[in-house]
Amino acid sequence: AQSVTQLGSHVSVSEGALVLLRCNYSSSVPPYLFWYVQYPNQGLQLLLKYTSAATLVKGINGFEAEFKKSETSFHLTKPSAHMSDAAEYFCAVSDIGTSYGKLTFGQGTILTVHP
Amino acid sequence: NAGVMQNPRHLVRRRGQEARLRCSPMKGHSHVYWYRQLPEEGLKFMVYLQKENIIDESGMPKERFSAEFPKEGPSILRIQQVVRGDSAAYFCASSPSAGPNTGELFFGEGSRLTVL
Repeated sequence: AQSVTQLGSHVSVSEGALVLLRCNYSSSVPPYLFWYVQYPNQGLQLLLKYTSAATLVKGINGFEAEFKKSETSFHLTKPSAHMSDAAEYFCAVSDIGTSYGKLTFGQGTILTVHP
Repeated sequence: NAGVMQNPRHLVRRRGQEARLRCSPMKGHSHVYWYRQLPEEGLKFMVYLQKENIIDESGMPKERFSAEFPKEGPSILRIQQVVRGDSAAYFCASSPSAGPNTGELFFGEGSRLTVL
């Protein structure tokens, strides 16, 4: 079975600072990996996805993530945080062996941005 | 273009009552997924449906929970004889197709169930 671990349930940064949200996965085969963002009282929105093409994936709102097979990681970064980035972020992996949207999610990381 | 619509947004039930949660997928989407988010946890897959068919219900509790996606109308997640442990946010998601690169799901805003 696949799994996802997000290191740090809460991350706090200052506006303008680098954002780094960590995600490690466990999978016996190359997975598809995703980052979703959830704003308060809303559903999840896809930020970016890795599907075995380029290892550096660019997403919306200036976020990007790099797939590192040797480290089984897919960390999310943004060079300069904005107040509007405050939200909860979920890393997810697709269930290999299926061809549909059955995802395994991490526990989530709440990002707080200070002025 | 309306997104995934879920209702009710908030539902309060007493132990032993039934809860029905509805989900209308995005226009043109024929695949529906239900996920549950317990407090302090990530989302857990429950069930995947296409029109009139349950494709994968491996995440559904064996008792009291059922889901359907009829030919006409929304998908419904039904919880019978609710217990306090059922209190959670239930998210519906839809996608336009299955196949490689699937994983981009479009989520509704969720239905938050509180069991007293």
